[in-house]
Amino acid sequence: QKEVEQDPGPLSVPEGAIVSLNCTYSNSAFQYFMWYRQYSRKGPELLMYTYSSGNKEDGRFTAQVDKSSKYISLFIRDSQPSDSATYLCAMWNSGGYQKVTFGTGTKLQVIP
Amino acid sequence: EAEVAQSPRYKITEKSQAVAFWCDPISGHATLYWYRQILGQGPELLVQFQDESVVDDSQLPKDRFSAERLKGVDSTLKIQPAELGDSAMYLCASSLDRGPYEQYFGPGTRLTVT
Repeated sequence: QKEVEQDPGPLSVPEGAIVSLNCTYSNSAFQYFMWYRQYSRKGPELLMYTYSSGNKEDGRFTAQVDKSSKYISLFIRDSQPSDSATYLCAMWNSGGYQKVTFGTGTKLQVIP
Repeated sequence: EAEVAQSPRYKITEKSQAVAFWCDPISGHATLYWYRQILGQGPELLVQFQDESVVDDSQLPKDRFSAERLKGVDSTLKIQPAELGDSAMYLCASSLDRGPYEQYFGPGTRLTVT
């Protein structure tokens, strides 16, 4: 079983829809939770990171972390065709030396 | 806006040849990472530098891969000899000292080994 699980999709939604992207994880030591957006043949772009549990909002994007359920989400409001990309979740444990663990990514397509 | 620079963007090489990738991190970022990303998967760390020192190279296939960051700024990743299974996207990222939760990626080098 992988430490971080992410549904690969693809997820197709109409323009303007609310999108929910999710990851589950098994390592309870993870403290930082990140979301990256990756366009085809480009490097990942950091959207936002969250420390511990709770919500964080940035424009149309909201990240939620539920450590009790080991479940994180990224919501995209008023989705646009330009949001079409692969979304990667990533997690990090700051205790000692630990590397970042990435999910496999969810491919999102927003249809005009 | 500061960005991580990588070159080349694309590389096609024959099996058993040598290939090298270059990365210039964001100015002031002490930590530099090289990742490999296979299509449909998330990035996997190959090597991490703190300034010029290697912090983690546990996943680097040392029989064929080498990495250096001689002056603690830009970095080179080399593969010799290249194998068919090395075809992937090679990503460089950098972050400030405070942790990898805020790391910034370059555009990557797409390697195809024939």
